[in-house]
Formats: sequence, structure tokens, C-alpha cells
Amino acid sequence: NAGVTQTPKFRVLKTGQSMTLLCAQDMNHEYMYWYRQDPGMGLRLIHYSVGEGTTAKGEVPDGYNVSRLKKQNFLLGLESAAPSQTSVYFCASSILAGTQETQYFGPGTRLLVL
Amino acid sequence: AQTVTQSQPEMSVQEAETVTLSCTYDTSENNYYLFWYKQPPSRQMILVIRQEAYKQQNATENRFSVNFQKAAKSFSLKISDSQLGDTAMYFCAFKPMDSNYQLIWGAGTKLIIKP
Repeated sequence: NAGVTQTPKFRVLKTGQSMTLLCAQDMNHEYMYWYRQDPGMGLRLIHYSVGEGTTAKGEVPDGYNVSRLKKQNFLLGLESAAPSQTSVYFCASSILAGTQETQYFGPGTRLLVL
Repeated sequence: AQTVTQSQPEMSVQEAETVTLSCTYDTSENNYYLFWYKQPPSRQMILVIRQEAYKQQNATENRFSVNFQKAAKSFSLKISDSQLGDTAMYFCAFKPMDSNYQLIWGAGTKLIIKP
């Protein structure tokens, strides 16, 4: 069972470059999330999606865009990378029906912006 | 604002000992979920245990159990018979039942199990 996968695992960017992080889940979950994790802090929600074709802003959305064209995929884009976006990025998904509130996480993508 | 506080940045215990990680939260909500996640060096975030606030019984999962005190807004994690593989960062998280799907996270506790 693949669960939640993320591509790539690690990337180095120069300031101003763009890139897209891909998240894929094979659990037929409706809800998907993008978080960033910085040292000494808990996860912070960037954007989330409650279904195919829908997205919404989280706690720290500036500098990021997302798309959910297919139910199983959730893309996170950086149009013009900045050093402040150096972080570890986690994707998660959940059913969110009844008491099924558990979020399942991918392995993370480490991004370094120089 | 809703917040989650983990007051222990780092803890270490000997293998086979019992350890308790603390978590407190601040909310005016009555219905919510609480979670403990484990993040080993591999960075994968793994669900350890969860508790629904409307349930009075404390959740247990094998060697992991919680002490949920709703009035005190406390949600501690007890690990019994600790193993080397329990070495990880542990995050407490809170989610109101009718929220905009956002989990609110503590800063984490680094747990080291010594052989």
C-alpha cells in the first residue's frame, strides 16, 4: 500500500526559481493538505483541499499556490522561491467523515532555497 | 486563539522505562479531537494515538496510552516499556470538530531512548 507519496524527496533551488511539489494518495481521500515544518515549530498549514477542483488557504499561504485537478493529486507550487521558503514540506490526506479525522502523512520533501 | 503547548523540548529515558510526555491546549470548543504523532529520524509523520473529547475513557494503543483531562485541557502521552525504536519527535495536535479542517500543532518533544 503506497498511502501518501511525495515527489521529489529533496530539492535545491536558487532564489527566484519556480518548482512544483507533487503529492499523490491512493486511499480515495477527499481531503488533502500541504504543511511546512520549520525547526522548533509544529507543522503549519499552507493550503488545503476539500475535494477535486477546490482549494483553500491555510495559516501561511503567501508565496504558494496549489491545484487539485484530480482527486488523488495535490500540487504545491512556488512561483518565485525565497530563502524563507527553505523548509520541510509535508502532504497529508484524510477522509474526514464521521469520526475518521485522522490525517495520513507523506514522507516529506526537503527544500533548500539559496 | 487555539494553541497547543508542549513544555518539554527534550526528554531521555533508559530502555524499558516508562515516560510521560505532556501536552496542554487552549480552546473554548467543547467538541474536538486530540492526537499524538511520532516523527522518527526518517521524518515520516506517524499517528500514535487519538482521543475524541466526548469520550471519557482514555485511549490506549498497545504500549501507548493517554491521560486526557478535559477540564484541565491536558492530554499527556504515556509510553510503557520504552524501546529504542520509540526515539523520535512527538507532536501533540488539536482539531475542533467543526473547524476548517486545520490541525493545530505543538512544537514537539524530542524523546531519546537510551540503551
